[in-house]
Amino acid sequence: DTAVSQTPKYLVTQMGNDKSIKCEQNLGHDTMYWYKQDSKKFLKIMFSYNNKELIINETVPNRFSPKSPDKAHLNLHINSLELGDSAVYFCASSRQGLGGANVLTFGAGSRLTVL
Amino acid sequence: KNEVEQSPQNLTAQEGEFITINCSYSVGISALHWLQQHPGGGIVSLFMLSSGKKKHGRLIATINIQEKHSSLHITASHPRDSAVYICAGGADGLTFGKGTHLIIQP
Repeated sequence: DTAVSQTPKYLVTQMGNDKSIKCEQNLGHDTMYWYKQDSKKFLKIMFSYNNKELIINETVPNRFSPKSPDKAHLNLHINSLELGDSAVYFCASSRQGLGGANVLTFGAGSRLTVL
Repeated sequence: KNEVEQSPQNLTAQEGEFITINCSYSVGISALHWLQQHPGGGIVSLFMLSSGKKKHGRLIATINIQEKHSSLHITASHPRDSAVYICAGGADGLTFGKGTHLIIQP
């Protein structure tokens, strides 16, 4: 059983399109995250949700909108895709509270390519 | 300047060597994380520590809170240890280092 699962694993799309990446965790964790890893492999937090509530919202264009229907799911919707959005997006979860003091479990990543 | 700095950026060593990767941070942290990212791309949490030292198999992580410095050591390194090692710290969200690309040659 995969602990944190993301779909799709690969996504190739045209500029201007809208796409979503889904994330589900079966660990019973309270907090979920989205991270972006750019072409230089640098990881950066985008969003964090704790029990369906937005906790962290880093400087991310408002074309990116996270949605958490329940604490086991955190989906990422991206409008009007741009070339610079091409990256690997990682979902993660942790037991409770915020990521600073909790072990993170990562999904396998979703590689987004915008043409 | 990144708030979490790692060194070296790249490290190539021979199988069996003792490996040290360093991490210095300027952010306030609740804990310091060491992550491993394999060539296939998946990220695994190795350690989370807020003081002292932790050991798991051949991996050892230490942290000095006063000096804001952490080290990851690998004893008896093996080619399967080849990966990118990332340190991260923070109070709320995590700030990541740029990673250390480690290659262990047979």
